[in-house]
Amino acid sequence: DIQMTQSPSILPASVGDRVTITCRASQSISRWLAWYQQKPGKAPNLLIHEASTLEGGVPSRFSGSGSGTEFTLTINSLQPDDFATYYCQHYSSYSPVTFGGGTKVEIK
Amino acid sequence: EVQVVESGGGLVQPGTSLRLSCTASGFIFDDHAMHWVRQAPGKGLEWVSGISWNSGVKGYADSVRGRFTISRDNAKNSVYLQMYSLRVEDTALYYCAKGKGNYYDSSVDYWGRGTLVTVSS
Repeated sequence: DIQMTQSPSILPASVGDRVTITCRASQSISRWLAWYQQKPGKAPNLLIHEASTLEGGVPSRFSGSGSGTEFTLTINSLQPDDFATYYCQHYSSYSPVTFGGGTKVEIK
Repeated sequence: EVQVVESGGGLVQPGTSLRLSCTASGFIFDDHAMHWVRQAPGKGLEWVSGISWNSGVKGYADSVRGRFTISRDNAKNSVYLQMYSLRVEDTALYYCAKGKGNYYDSSVDYWGRGTLVTVSS
């Protein structure tokens, strides 16, 4: 099965920072990757699908890139509402769906 | 407005069974795959199972394959997760979620609030 490895697991940051989270797949998944944001006590929220397509209503400071085995989620000018945990997810048809281990963006 | 509501969680003993239900509204249910995703206390997300729009394709995580069964009833806008031989490590908040596509190889765009399953003696 395809394994998804996220880094870092914890990311200290300040309001206004540009932050980047990386997700690596154990084998190529083309662009079948999504990013989610989860806040404590809440269900996850889809931010990006197909590696770089922003979901409707998601602020444009969020962006995704990558293909194959390496992907990134970038948040430009971090806002107070962005402190949360972020997960990547692969959803290719030839392996069970899996999530990365998560990256907690916390206040520095 | 899309709504996804889970039910059926509870406290059960190891080795027993439990059936989770999920009812959805606000979208054309039989156009979309549905998923179950769980989250153990203080841990990350784990995909459990997914089912295609017409029940023709089903997928399971290795950790539950052979013990859990997913099904759906499009006439009732509902999806189910039958869980057998429950283990302590199955303890988690179980989310039902709507897939963006017809098949479960899709991202998830709407989630319920979850139903808590606790497996303990």
